[in-house]
Amino acid sequence: NAGVTQTPKFQVLKTGQSMTLQCAQDMNHNSMYWYRQDPGMGLRLIYYSASEGTTDKGEVPNGYNVSRLNKREFSLRLESAAPSQTSVYFCASSVGGGTEAFFGQGTRLTVV
Amino acid sequence: KNQVEQSPQSLIILEGKNCTLQCNYTVSPFSNLRWYKQDTGRGPVSLTIMTFSENTKSNGRYTATLDADTKQSSLHITASQLSDSASYICVVSANTGGFKTIFGAGTRLFVKA
Repeated sequence: NAGVTQTPKFQVLKTGQSMTLQCAQDMNHNSMYWYRQDPGMGLRLIYYSASEGTTDKGEVPNGYNVSRLNKREFSLRLESAAPSQTSVYFCASSVGGGTEAFFGQGTRLTVV
Repeated sequence: KNQVEQSPQSLIILEGKNCTLQCNYTVSPFSNLRWYKQDTGRGPVSLTIMTFSENTKSNGRYTATLDADTKQSSLHITASQLSDSASYICVVSANTGGFKTIFGAGTRLFVKA
């Protein structure tokens, strides 16, 4: 009964370092998403995958890459972290676009 | 421009009291509107989802209303509890061929004993 699982929960990076955020869902959902949440702002879509084998840019894709590894897993990579990428990152999944989304617990990332 | 605006930004109420949170949107063509609850340090959890033809949806002490003509929604919380302290996020989806989903910035609710 895990739902959406994200790892890690916390991470501190130095400017220029790279890292991958992992996300897995066990609900057999087709669509998966990566969002970032900054203080005073709504969640903003970074990338999404409407179905296995497809990925598309969202509202704020610059500085990120994604991989839909299989139906369960969707990873987010920061190639060269910048302080502007300090944020809380959420992975989510849904049956399809525009339907109820289920969120992971979030990854709090700090870039110094 | 597709936007979702929520008010108030924050709200403090006493335990046991009722409150109403507002959401105005300009997203079109409208597909559905959802309210999420986000506890501190956690991911959002869905409370209600409403389509164009629905104007009220309840989930326990939470009741959401939708006026698609004026593009307004509200979330009413009855007999508040300390555990209702959280952010409440209004989310609107548009069906533009694919789906476009816009999140409001949320209302931060504090329930005090």
